[in-house]
Amino acid sequence: AQTVTQSQPEMSVQEAETVTLSCTYDTSESDYYLFWYKQPPSRQMILVIRQEAYKQQNATENRFSVNFQKAAKSFSLKISDSQLGDAAMYFCAYKKTSGSRLTFGEGTQLTVNP
Amino acid sequence: DTGVSQNPRHKITKRGQNVTFRCDPISEHNRLYWYRQTLGQGPEFLTYFQNEAQLEKSRLLSDRFSAERPKGSFSTLEIQRTEQGDSAMYLCASSLGSGLSNQPQHFGDGTRLSIL
Repeated sequence: AQTVTQSQPEMSVQEAETVTLSCTYDTSESDYYLFWYKQPPSRQMILVIRQEAYKQQNATENRFSVNFQKAAKSFSLKISDSQLGDAAMYFCAYKKTSGSRLTFGEGTQLTVNP
Repeated sequence: DTGVSQNPRHKITKRGQNVTFRCDPISEHNRLYWYRQTLGQGPEFLTYFQNEAQLEKSRLLSDRFSAERPKGSFSTLEIQRTEQGDSAMYLCASSLGSGLSNQPQHFGDGTRLSIL
């Protein structure tokens, strides 16, 4: 079975600074997708960024980028120029290409300090 | 695009009662998913529909749980004889896809269930 581990229950960053959230996963599959979702308090889960495992190039979406290390099964999220609105719970998630379900990590609560 | 809609937002009920939640996916999305999220944890997969067919069920979905998606549009999740451990946020998500195509899942606001 696939597992996703986020070893940082909480992280904090100063506004305008950069922060990296860690995620590792375990799978025997070769084709899969990885995602970072953001869940603000009492609000819906929003997709931040996704990475296809067959692509070597790291995905980037504006201030959000990932460091995907397939051999190490590591998938970290870097947030640059952090903003107050980035404060939320961040979940790393895995989905095998042939599957339907997302497998989520435990989440990292990000606080942005003004 | 009005997003994924879930009703009710909150449900409080006594142990042993039955509850039903509704999810309306994004209109053109043929895939629909249910997840359960307990406090401080990531969501856990419950079940998945493609159109009206329920294609996958997690072992978390005990025989007290049933989900339907008549006509491949909205879906309902029913929990019979609720227990304290059923208290959680129930999330619905939808996506567009066929075969191995993998469009991202869009989530609703969830229904928070509290069992007294």
